[in-house]
Amino acid sequence: DAGVTQSPTHLIKTRGQQVTLRCSPKSGHDTVSWYQQALGQGPQFIFQYYEEEERQRGNFPDRFSGHQFPNYSSELNVNALLLGDSALYLCASSEYRGGGNQPQHFGDGTRLSIL
Amino acid sequence: AQTVTQSQPEMSVQEAETVTLSCTYDTSESDYYLFWYKQPPSRQMILVIRQEAYKQQNATENRFSVNFQKAAKSFSLKISDSQLGDAAMYFCAYRSMYTGANSKLTFGKGITLSVRP
Repeated sequence: DAGVTQSPTHLIKTRGQQVTLRCSPKSGHDTVSWYQQALGQGPQFIFQYYEEEERQRGNFPDRFSGHQFPNYSSELNVNALLLGDSALYLCASSEYRGGGNQPQHFGDGTRLSIL
Repeated sequence: AQTVTQSQPEMSVQEAETVTLSCTYDTSESDYYLFWYKQPPSRQMILVIRQEAYKQQNATENRFSVNFQKAAKSFSLKISDSQLGDAAMYFCAYRSMYTGANSKLTFGKGITLSVRP
């Protein structure tokens, strides 16, 4: 049973560029959440997707956008990259109709470095 | 908005000893979930233990247990018989019950635990 998978593992970009990160949820999960984790900090919620719609959003600018596909996989897009966007981006999946105490399952993350 | 505070940035424990990691949180909600996650250098966030706020009994998972003090809004993690593999960053996290299983997680800044052989 595959867990949450993210690609790529590591990415290097320059300021002003655009980047797309990908996530496949754990089998049986239909909801994907994205988090940004700066070095030495806790993850910060970016947004969540269910039924191909953004359901919740954290305090992130519109440069951060996402998409969910019919197979529940998801993409995180970041435009006009800034140095401060350098971070580990974590994807977490869950079952929308699952019990309230069910945990979110996390992937290994994508390390994004901005030069 | 809910906040989670982990005031100890680093802690160290001798192998086989017991260590307690502290966490406090602030919320106006009466029903919620609390979690401790472990993040080793491999980066994957791994669930250690969870607590439902409506349960008075403290959660226990093998060598891991919590001390949940709802009135004080405190949620500490005790690791007994510490092992070298316990070395990692530990995050305390909060999730509202009102928006269900899909409510966002709010994390603290984390604490780095080192285990001395």
